[in-house]
Amino acid sequence: QLQLQESGPGLVRPSETLSLTCSVSGGSISSSAFHWAWIRQPPGKGLEWIGNIYYSGTTYYSPSLKSRVTISLDTSKNQFSLKLSSVTAADTALYYCATMKYESSGFSFDYWGLGTLVTVSS
Amino acid sequence: SYELTQPPSVSVSPGQTARITCSGDALPKQNAYWYQQKPGQASVLVIYKDSKRPSGIPERFSGSSSGTTVTLTISGVRAEDEADYYCQSAHSSGTYPVFGGGTKLTVL
Repeated sequence: QLQLQESGPGLVRPSETLSLTCSVSGGSISSSAFHWAWIRQPPGKGLEWIGNIYYSGTTYYSPSLKSRVTISLDTSKNQFSLKLSSVTAADTALYYCATMKYESSGFSFDYWGLGTLVTVSS
Repeated sequence: SYELTQPPSVSVSPGQTARITCSGDALPKQNAYWYQQKPGQASVLVIYKDSKRPSGIPERFSGSSSGTTVTLTISGVRAEDEADYYCQSAHSSGTYPVFGGGTKLTVL
C-alpha cells in the first residue's frame, strides 16, 4: 500500500518561494505505474490541481500556475518536490501530494497524503 | 475557465439516500471521478470512470451519468459517510484534471 507524506515550512513570506517535499513509501517513484502530483486547497475552498511529474521526468503544470511552478523527482530519496515562486496570500492553502493515473479514459488520483498547511504571510 | 459545479451542501438522515450532483459541459465526453474527504484523513477515491467502484468501497456508493451531469449516490447513508465529496474530470481540452467545488454531506 502506497503511503505519501508531505513536509516543508508552514510559513512562507510573500514574494518568496514555497518548497515542499513528498516522501513516498510502499512503492518506487521510478515506477511507470503512476504520475506524481501536487494538489492544493485554500481554506474553505475546493481542490486545485497544481501539476504532476512522470518517472521519466516529464512534467505537466496547471495553465494558471505554470509560470511559477517546478516539480522534480529525487529518486535517491524516493521523494518528489514542489517549488512555487513569487507567492502571495492567495497561495495560502493545504497542499497535498498524490499519485495520479493518466489514461485515455481520464485522470484519477488514487493515493493521497494527509496534506500540509502553508501560510503566506509577513 | 472550465468549471464543474456541485451543490455546496446536502443533508440526509441515516438510512436515507444521498444524491450529490456535478455538472459540466464536457462531462458527456470525459469520465468523472469522486473523492471522499474527511478531516485529518487521506482523501479516498470512491467512484471512477463515472460508475465503477474501487476495491474496498462499500456497495452503497454508486455513480451515474446523464448528459452534462454526473451523480454520486449513497444508499442507506451511515453517520460515517459524513464528509466532503469532490467530483473530478478533465478539462474540456482533455489535457489536465479539474475538480468541482465540493459538497459537504451532513448526516442528520
